[in-house]
Amino acid sequence: SAVISQKPSRDICQRGTSLTIQCQVDSQVTMMFWYRQQPGQSLTLIATANQGSEATYESGFVIDKFPISRPNLTFSTLTVSNMSPEDSSIYLCSVRGGGLGTEAFFGQGTRLTVV
Amino acid sequence: QQPVQSPQAVILREGEDAVINCSSSKALYSVHWYRQKHGEAPVFLMILLKGGEQKGHEKISASFNEKKQQSSLYLTASQLSYSGTYFCGTEEQAWAGKLTFGTGTRLTIIP
Repeated sequence: SAVISQKPSRDICQRGTSLTIQCQVDSQVTMMFWYRQQPGQSLTLIATANQGSEATYESGFVIDKFPISRPNLTFSTLTVSNMSPEDSSIYLCSVRGGGLGTEAFFGQGTRLTVV
Repeated sequence: QQPVQSPQAVILREGEDAVINCSSSKALYSVHWYRQKHGEAPVFLMILLKGGEQKGHEKISASFNEKKQQSSLYLTASQLSYSGTYFCGTEEQAWAGKLTFGTGTRLTIIP
């Protein structure tokens, strides 16, 4: 199993500003992902955080808006840039091990409110 | 495209059984099931792999029809702790890593 520490747990931000969310894992993991979840809704994948290279973004998400870093196998950051009220959501970090058929583990999430 | 789950919501009395379905429009390598309680992170329940292998919770069972790209989660003799929102997560290729989550099913167990 993996223990994930995600910071901050919640924040209220002014529109036009940026927020960086940190994800720290207690062991080296092959795969790290960032998801967004609107309250009461499902999880939507933003991007795969690749160690040492640019993240792989899903359709509808771009690097300029959601820059991601992954400097090593235990840490990643997601920045939500130039925020608007539509960015208000819960952002979740997730990891998976390297073997086939491994489960995903999730951080507790960051609840972001943009005013 | 997001997998579709049914039902969207269900209310059961403690001890009753429930079936939650997940249907994808794409060929799948694996199906995962997670439960999320309000304000908490999703928690792993089960993985079903193409070819029949399963890993997961000893009190919860599931099936995976590879030809129809459908999976069902079976909750028997439900307990109050089973309440929450259930999500299937689908993986289209081995080693792909990323999961596409279904629309979700809210399960409420009442005494």
